[in-house]
Amino acid sequence: KNQVEQSPQSLIILEGKNCTLQCNYTVSPFSNLRWYKQDTGRGPVSLTIMTFSENTKSNGRYTATLDADTKQSSLHITASQLSDSASYICVVSANTGFQKLVFGTGTRLLVSP
Amino acid sequence: DAGITQSPRHKVTETGTPVTLRCHQTENHRYMYWYRQDPGHGLRLIHYSYGVKDTDKGEVSDGYSVSRSKTEDFLLTLESATSSQTSVYFCAISESSPSTDTQYFGPGTRLTVL
Repeated sequence: KNQVEQSPQSLIILEGKNCTLQCNYTVSPFSNLRWYKQDTGRGPVSLTIMTFSENTKSNGRYTATLDADTKQSSLHITASQLSDSASYICVVSANTGFQKLVFGTGTRLLVSP
Repeated sequence: DAGITQSPRHKVTETGTPVTLRCHQTENHRYMYWYRQDPGHGLRLIHYSYGVKDTDKGEVSDGYSVSRSKTEDFLLTLESATSSQTSVYFCAISESSPSTDTQYFGPGTRLTVL
């Protein structure tokens, strides 16, 4: 069964600190992996998309890594800001039929002043 | 929100009543999607469209129907709303196949069925 699991479910960090969010998946055959940021009451916004051949991708203070062998990804946030408080969703695309997208349930991050 | 609007943004209705949610885009993207988001679940695809009058079912399509008569509009209809359809509904668009292209999401519609 295609699944995406994220950890931790929630996280509180102090402003200015770094943090790392984890995503493990069992989706096959793999096409790509995305990270989305979802602010409370808003729709998700794409941060990064990585294909099989990419193992690191950055978007400002956000750096995503991908290990396709172990089927793991991480999202590292550097020098956190209050505006980073949001849910972060990992999405894996399966290269089957309609190119099915499998969504994780997200990690809720709270950055505290 | 990438030129995507959803209406209404909030709706409270009673069990058994019909409900239509509207998604409007100004990006001229080919693909449009309806998702629902519930606590403890990832976003789940209800229906999608790959062109005018071309639609197909997603993983949770029971109790929902869709229509797309124009490129810019994608309607989601609950023929007879049930309490299990209380959720936040998101419309999304993409220029090409979702496997390779970024999806852009609308602001969401919070629907409560009493």
